[in-house]
Amino acid sequence: DAMVIQNPRYQVTQFGKPVTLSCSQTLNHNVMYWYQQKSSQAPKLLFHYYDKDFNNEADTPDNFQSRRPNTSFCFLDIRSPGLGDAAMYLCATSRERRGQGPQETQYFGPGTRLLVL
Amino acid sequence: GIQVEQSPPDLILQEGANSTLRCNFSDSVNNLQWFHQNPWGQLINLFYIPSGTKQNGRLSATTVATERYSLLYISSSQTTDSGVYFCAGSTWDSSYKLIFGSGTRLLVRP
Repeated sequence: DAMVIQNPRYQVTQFGKPVTLSCSQTLNHNVMYWYQQKSSQAPKLLFHYYDKDFNNEADTPDNFQSRRPNTSFCFLDIRSPGLGDAAMYLCATSRERRGQGPQETQYFGPGTRLLVL
Repeated sequence: GIQVEQSPPDLILQEGANSTLRCNFSDSVNNLQWFHQNPWGQLINLFYIPSGTKQNGRLSATTVATERYSLLYISSSQTTDSGVYFCAGSTWDSSYKLIFGSGTRLLVRP
């Protein structure tokens, strides 16, 4: 089945130690997103890639970076995790047509739960 | 940007009961989705419904775009329906950004 896969499902890191979360998709979608969701809150978009074009949200801290080496994979790098970065990180994909606005369903992966000690 | 309000914030049902969840938008949307977040945290697509009515088993949804609201109906609820239900929408000028409501937390008791 076509799907969005996230690894690892759980990640424990130390305060200040860089960590990378990964996302892959078999849907061949051109847009990939990273969301952060803290306990009892709604998901919050950090950034997204439209094809190779990176789009950062204005309030996303510089501590968060992303890479998309090809269509299928996208990575979230947290350069110096703080205690406040402990959260669920959700990857999503969609197929969009440039110039026609957001039109398609976003499909979410199972998430990576990050714990910072 | 658009504001998304969901009601009620919390809902407790007895198994077998029916319920209606509501989502209001502050502006017109051209992408509206309903999700169920299960206890393990995964967001599961329920409906992509910018307008009209759709049904999938015991779930159905209706969006009245001109009045900027959407409804999710759950019939004959089961304990596995428990979790958080989110609606989310985006607009032509929001650059694919889905704006989520704060969710409705549903608990279905056996």
